[in-house]
Amino acid sequence: DAGVIQSPRHEVTEMGQEVTLRCKPISGHNSLFWYRQTMMRGLELLIYFNNNVPIDDSGMPEDRFSAKMPNASFSTLKIQPSEPRDSAVYFCASSLGSGIGGYTFGSGTRLTVV
Amino acid sequence: SQQGEEDPQALSIQEGENATMNCSYKTSINNLQWYRQNSGRGLVHLILIRSNEREKHSGRLRVTLDTSKKSSSLLITASRAADTASYFCATDASGANSKLTFGKGITLSVRP
Repeated sequence: DAGVIQSPRHEVTEMGQEVTLRCKPISGHNSLFWYRQTMMRGLELLIYFNNNVPIDDSGMPEDRFSAKMPNASFSTLKIQPSEPRDSAVYFCASSLGSGIGGYTFGSGTRLTVV
Repeated sequence: SQQGEEDPQALSIQEGENATMNCSYKTSINNLQWYRQNSGRGLVHLILIRSNEREKHSGRLRVTLDTSKKSSSLLITASRAADTASYFCATDASGANSKLTFGKGITLSVRP
């Protein structure tokens, strides 16, 4: 298995533009998580899905953020419009099930909003 | 909010020495996990210890859990320069919708 695949690896965009981050979880994993990492706030859970259904989106900072999981092999995190304070590394992770075992993380998307 | 709080924030040791990192948390948990992150990379799962376990080993790693004190420790024995990384503890809190909450991490530097 190639692991959790995220794209793009790096994204530089102008303030106000729409940004879409993509994630392909490990086949067979039924839980998917989106985290954001910054120096100031560390790793923050934004949203997670079980069996493609959003379970907890309480970490999504604002209405500008939205996430979808149309099927078991694909998820997107969208920011519209983007702001400089959204600059961070965004990680996607998947696991066999919530509470069962460890997470497998993707390599992350480094987002810079200028 | 951060559930796990690691201690110390940074640790520098000589190759061959043991590294001990601590984590404290606040609420009841299903399990506690430790992860490693190399610079510019994603997190890698190291070890999971369940709330009914007290100690677990994996290679050069030893994890302990004290649920009465709500604390855990990660010991890396005979450290190597390649162990240089950030280490995070993460707690899976009790409840129907479990999810991992991470601490801010410990930066470990192993000098060759």
